[in-house]
Parts: sequence; structure tokens; C-alpha cells
Amino acid sequence: AQSVTQLGSHVSVSEGALVLLRCNYSSSVPPYLFWYVQYPNQGLQLLLKYTSAATLVKGINGFEAEFKKSETSFHLTKPSAHMSDAAEYFCAVKLGNSGNTPLVFGKGTRLSVIA
Amino acid sequence: GAVVSQHPSWVICKSGTSVKIECRSLDFQATTMFWYRQFPKQSLMLMATSNEGSKATYEQGVEKDKFLINHASLTLSTLTVTSAHPEDSSFYICSAKDRSQGNIQYFGAGTRLSVL
Repeated sequence: AQSVTQLGSHVSVSEGALVLLRCNYSSSVPPYLFWYVQYPNQGLQLLLKYTSAATLVKGINGFEAEFKKSETSFHLTKPSAHMSDAAEYFCAVKLGNSGNTPLVFGKGTRLSVIA
Repeated sequence: GAVVSQHPSWVICKSGTSVKIECRSLDFQATTMFWYRQFPKQSLMLMATSNEGSKATYEQGVEKDKFLINHASLTLSTLTVTSAHPEDSSFYICSAKDRSQGNIQYFGAGTRLSVL
């Protein structure tokens, strides 16, 4: 079975500093990996996804993530944090791309940005 | 981009009543929709998978008679929390897959249910 581990339930960075949110996965087959962002009282918004093409994936709002098979990781980064990046971030994995395959989510990491 | 509308966004009800939550895909057809539940400060937990025209598939531990799911059309799925109790208070989020966009999953804004 697949699973997702997000290291650190809360990450705090200064405005302008590097953002690094960690995600490790376990999967018996090549996974599809996703990062979602959830702003307060809102639904999830897709940031980026990895679907076995390029290992470095660029998403919206300046975020990117690199798939590292040897480390079973898919960490999310952004070079310079902005106040508007403060939110909850979820890493998710699914096996294959069929319609009935649900996402399995990590527990989430809350990002705080300090002025 | 594709939009999933969830209604209502917030509902308060008395214990013992039933509450229906709607999930609509506004500009695409969704043969598969998912219902998630999110407890405070926790991740999303999949409750059930809803397929248009067939019975929903429930995850282990989710009572199908408690959480009724109906997916009567390609753009609408409903979740009814029957005989709600305070422990059912939670944030419920639906998502819908857009097959025309490579099965990308779009999420609704969620429904906060408070049972008094």
C-alpha cells in the first residue's frame, strides 16, 4: 500500500527566505505525486504534480518539487517566501492514473511566514 | 480551470437531523467523485468513492447507512449525513476527476458541519 509522510507539521520561515516542505512516499509501483495547498476555510488547490515525465516539476506561485526515486522523496520548495504563501500544504500520492484511484494524503504541513 | 462547487459552505444542525451536501462539477463531466473528511488540524481522510450511476464504494470504517452518497448525474454527487450527532462535526470536502484533463482531481471548497 502507498503512504505519504510529511516531516514537520509546522514550518516557519521569514519573508524572502527559502521554503522547503518535506514529503516522502512509499509505493510498490511508480507513483503519481501531488502537492496541494489549502488556505484557511477553503478547499484544496493543486500546486503541482509529478506524472513520470520530468523529475523537476514547476507549479503555480513559484513553487517547484523534485522527484527523487532513490530517496523516495518529493520535497516542495520556493526560493523566496511571500506572506501570501502562509497556508496548509498537503503532499499526496496515487498509484496509476485511472479514474477510480483516490489520492492518499500526508498529514499536512502548516507554513507560517514571518515579516 | 475546472471548478467544483460545494454547497453549503457551512451548516449548523441539531442532533438527530439529516444534512445534505452537494458537490457539482461546473464545467466538466465527472464520472468519479470522492468524498473526504477532515478533522481539525489533520489531513484528509477518504470516506468514499462515488461513481455515476452506481453504488458508492466506502472506505473501511465508514458507515454507508450513516453517510449516504448519491451520484445521479455526471455533474452532481450528494453526501447526506443521516441522524447527525456532534461527533459528525467536521469539514467535508468533495473532489471530482476530469477525465478530459488527464484525471486531474479538483476539489470543492468544503462544507463545515457543526452538529449541536
